Amino acid sequence: EAQVTQNPRYLITVTGKKLTVTCSQNMNHEYMSWYRQDPGLGLRQIYYSMNVEVTDKGDVPEGYKVSRKEKRNFPLILESPSPNQTSLYFCASSFDRVNEQYFGPGTRLTVT
Amino acid sequence: GQNIDQPTEMTATEGAIVQINCTYQTSGFNGLFWYQQHAGEAPTFLSYNVLDGLEEKGRFSSFLSRSKGYSYLLLKELQMKDSASYLCAVVDTDKLIFGTGTRLQVFP
Repeated sequence: EAQVTQNPRYLITVTGKKLTVTCSQNMNHEYMSWYRQDPGLGLRQIYYSMNVEVTDKGDVPEGYKVSRKEKRNFPLILESPSPNQTSLYFCASSFDRVNEQYFGPGTRLTVT
Repeated sequence: GQNIDQPTEMTATEGAIVQINCTYQTSGFNGLFWYQQHAGEAPTFLSYNVLDGLEEKGRFSSFLSRSKGYSYLLLKELQMKDSASYLCAVVDTDKLIFGTGTRLQVFP
């Protein structure tokens, strides 16, 4: 089954404790993105990757890191999480930026 | 800069037609998407327009005018299951910029 998976689905953590949210797709897509979704602000792109070893900042990259060592995986790293990073995070993938994006189920992160 | 505007909320009656508008300003336009998002779920793809005109897909149609920076999503024969948020998203060069979404409530 074609899908985008994210783990964990739910995470409660404390300020400053490094964490990684994994994202994996099995569709051989080249374009992958991370978004955060907050009430009243909609979906905002954090980082995107157009292919292996190619990553670029989206609109809200501060406080986040990503890597794209393999085509299928695109982990999101929060080196020192802060409460303002409490949000719902979605990973998505597509063949390229102008094709339908497939979204993962979301990761609800709470930073206390 | 980038700016995408769409109404925050709309209501409609089952069986009716509703039009959700989206206006945008971007510097490197490469197309416009519409996504549907039910509460508590991930967005799912509805349509993509890059050329001016109307694209029809079943009960849903999407229109684009690049010169006006304007798009709309038209939903016909509304059903209760169409109650959801509808997200307009613009491809600005290589990035995707989403509007804040329009929450549509369909009443019987």
